[in-house]
Amino acid sequence: QSALTQPPSASGSPGQSVTISCTGTSNDFDYNYVSWYQQHPGKAPRVIIYEVTERPSGVPDRFSGSKSANTASLTVSGLQDEDEADYYCSSYAGGSSPVVFGGGTKLTVL
Amino acid sequence: EMKLVESGGGLVQPGGSLRLSCAASGFSFNTHYMSWVRQAPGKGLESVAKIVLDGSEKFYVDSVRGRFTIFRDNSKNSLYLQMNSLAADDTAVYYCVREVFWRFDLWGRGTLVTVSS
Repeated sequence: QSALTQPPSASGSPGQSVTISCTGTSNDFDYNYVSWYQQHPGKAPRVIIYEVTERPSGVPDRFSGSKSANTASLTVSGLQDEDEADYYCSSYAGGSSPVVFGGGTKLTVL
Repeated sequence: EMKLVESGGGLVQPGGSLRLSCAASGFSFNTHYMSWVRQAPGKGLESVAKIVLDGSEKFYVDSVRGRFTIFRDNSKNSLYLQMNSLAADDTAVYYCVREVFWRFDLWGRGTLVTVSS
């Protein structure tokens, strides 16, 4: 299973909305086990979206996820300075292989 | 507080071996799948190994299969990764993670493995 494809960078001004895409093959998103992770420099990642659209408790509702065909997306609304971080998507595509990640997107708040 | 604490990282020569350990606390370890995820310096995340509840099934990414072995001791709430035949591209921070329905919902702080002569 190949890595999922994310844009290397994204940016937006405070208060704006930004959408990060995660593209795979037609099989990569057959299951609704798509997750998104946020990672600040020097820190471990934390899950912010799971099962395409679900948010763990404590994650602001400014973060939302969606999926269509072979693309999953993370939208960050009302950008805040603390949203500046790396974001990774992941998906389970069936079989016995471990979860596969996207290459990551560095989000810059201008 | 739920916590995962890794140990065992360090500097190892190419071809050498290292065993990573992960101590779990604050949750029922034996009711969760566990995984190791690594991150090479300045690079993205890679899930390298996964183990089911009782250790009877293990899954590996192609790049480590045959060299790495994941195992667990539920009596000690501990997860391990035995790494053999290490190469430079195994250099990474290795995270111990709890896996729930193919999402990683609890992460350790990671332990750095450096493979270099």
